[in-house]
Amino acid sequence: SSELTQPPSVSVSPGQTASITCSGDKLGDKYACWYQQKPGQSPVLVIYQDNKRPSGIPERFSGSNSGNTATLTISGTQALDEADYYCQAWDSSTAKVIFGGGTKLTVL
Amino acid sequence: QITLKESGPTLVKPTQTLTLTCTVSGFSLTTGAVGVGWIRQPPGKALEWLALIYWDDDKRYSPSLKSRLTITQDTSKNQVVLTMTNMDPVDTATYYCAHRLTGDAFDIWGQGTMVTVSS
Repeated sequence: SSELTQPPSVSVSPGQTASITCSGDKLGDKYACWYQQKPGQSPVLVIYQDNKRPSGIPERFSGSNSGNTATLTISGTQALDEADYYCQAWDSSTAKVIFGGGTKLTVL
Repeated sequence: QITLKESGPTLVKPTQTLTLTCTVSGFSLTTGAVGVGWIRQPPGKALEWLALIYWDDDKRYSPSLKSRLTITQDTSKNQVVLTMTNMDPVDTATYYCAHRLTGDAFDIWGQGTMVTVSS
């Protein structure tokens, strides 16, 4: 299967660590990346090639990818991190880009 | 500074063909490893990848939409064009173009353009 599965929602208290998972068949064999999207805005890349941060992305964002699961971790979560998060990978077997269904992160 | 900007109609009728243009700046479409992709997002729903074109004119399409999509590039105008035939109300969405980074992530996105399909 070339689908990516994310939990619809994750809640976290300010200052705590949020973890968002993305599951897919042999996902660890592919590069995974993550996007943050706030209401009315375009997505922003926060992690690429499993664990690299683009310039300007805070160090509290980190990523990992192994087996069938990629994980986005936000340490010391802040209110401004509240957003939808999407994972994405390239499925070489079908030569297509695949997105997860998105996870709404609530900071409360 | 890399920027991308989508343009095209905001309203199309069912069965019509949609043509969207992505005008890029800050990079060349012919530079090795460069790619530009199109992604859409229906209101309140998830991102959906549509198509991707590489610097060498190699093209990739979403298998579920491949029969309806064509992606091309005009390097002299710094533009990437996406056409989608036989539009349906379910195609109502915000359409984004984005710059492909190595590893097939999209690092820079356009502002998006909302397209409504309605008679």
